[in-house]
Amino acid sequence: GENVEQHPSTLSVQEGDSAVIKCTYSDSASNYFPWYKQELGKRPQLIIDIRSNVGEKKDQRIAVTLNKTAKHFSLHITETQPEDSAVYFCAASIDVMKTSYDKVIFGPGTSLSVIP
Amino acid sequence: NAGVTQTPKFRVLKTGQSMTLLCAQDMNHEYMYWYRQDPGMGLRLIHYSVGEGTTAKGEVPDGYNVSRLKKQNFLLGLESAAPSQTSVYFCASIDGGPLLNTEAFFGQGTRLTVV
Repeated sequence: GENVEQHPSTLSVQEGDSAVIKCTYSDSASNYFPWYKQELGKRPQLIIDIRSNVGEKKDQRIAVTLNKTAKHFSLHITETQPEDSAVYFCAASIDVMKTSYDKVIFGPGTSLSVIP
Repeated sequence: NAGVTQTPKFRVLKTGQSMTLLCAQDMNHEYMYWYRQDPGMGLRLIHYSVGEGTTAKGEVPDGYNVSRLKKQNFLLGLESAAPSQTSVYFCASIDGGPLLNTEAFFGQGTRLTVV
């Protein structure tokens, strides 16, 4: 089955600096890669996603890149702010129609601290 | 529109007791999932369902059972609780419809302690 690894497990950056979190996946059939942010004591929420037919996607200060050949994808946060402090989870799934099971497998998470 | 609601929010069980966690969604989503979250281990998939009447095993299914008798509800059961099942449990749902909207909406979590 799918296995998602995520690095680093913890990351501290100064406010204004960039943060990069990397994930690798094992199942070459996976074609949908979302990123979730979980603030302390709250539920995870989707912040950005990318499908396998796209190499890069950007949304304001957040960007995600995908390398299908190497089976890895990364989250980039620029101009970090204290409110970016949270746990970030990458995930991988096979985005297919109802005829196939659609498991969403998460990485172990990265705890990001942005130091003012 | 409540989204995804989990019941209860907190529970303390004694070893060997049983309980059922309820997940209810009002978005007419097809897919529903149960995850457990433990420090340093992220969200691990326990069981999931791709539609009413269907269930499937995830990464860590042992010790848990599930049922999806109604599309809007996904129940997670612990028949004989063990201390290793102490965790925060999250339910999630995904549309799964023809528009391929694959954003997962999570419940608020259930903190379960087994003593």
